[in-house]
Amino acid sequence: GQNIDQPTEMTATEGAIVQINCTYQTSGFNGLFWYQQHAGEAPTFLSYNVLDGLEEKGRFSSFLSRSKGYSYLLLKELQMKDSASYLCAAANYGQNFVFGPGTRLSVLP
Amino acid sequence: GAVVSQHPSRVICKSGTSVKIECRSLDFQATTMFWYRQFPKQSLMLMATSNEGSKATYEQGVEKDKFLINHASLTLSTLTVTSAHPEDSSFYICSSEGDGNEQFFGPGTRLTVL
Repeated sequence: GQNIDQPTEMTATEGAIVQINCTYQTSGFNGLFWYQQHAGEAPTFLSYNVLDGLEEKGRFSSFLSRSKGYSYLLLKELQMKDSASYLCAAANYGQNFVFGPGTRLSVLP
Repeated sequence: GAVVSQHPSRVICKSGTSVKIECRSLDFQATTMFWYRQFPKQSLMLMATSNEGSKATYEQGVEKDKFLINHASLTLSTLTVTSAHPEDSSFYICSSEGDGNEQFFGPGTRLTVL
């Protein structure tokens, strides 16, 4: 079967660094995506990892370890606007996505 | 990135009526689109994969006769919720594949069934 796990909620302080972890078990794995979703809005694409290692994009970085079935999203210099849900999604061949439950991040002043 | 639109953004209907939601790819041709449903404080659940010119592929547990999907052109897929009931109230989101394997999501449609 397919299973993706993330922490349900996290809290961090403005200006800090936060790491959101994601573990997955899926057949035909073809990449790990991270999306940001503000309440009442559709998800927006943040990052995509298909090979092991770290992908850096501005304040956001994403890491993947295929052997461990593990990924994390790293957010630096947190801003209030970063308060949102962060969804990890595993893509399999055929491009079906399986989404994790999402992590609701609250950034406090 | 690709632009995907949905219409309507919000709809309120009476129980027993049918509601059609449109998903359009505005600047590219989409042979495959995906329909998701999201309940409050939950993640996205894939309902079906919509394929242009052929029948949709439904996920386990999704009633194909209740959620009718039509993908008649390369830029339009529609989801019709037939005989809607209050438990069908949800946030419905469509997406389309990009060149880099990512999915681009429409803005979503919030359905409320009274």
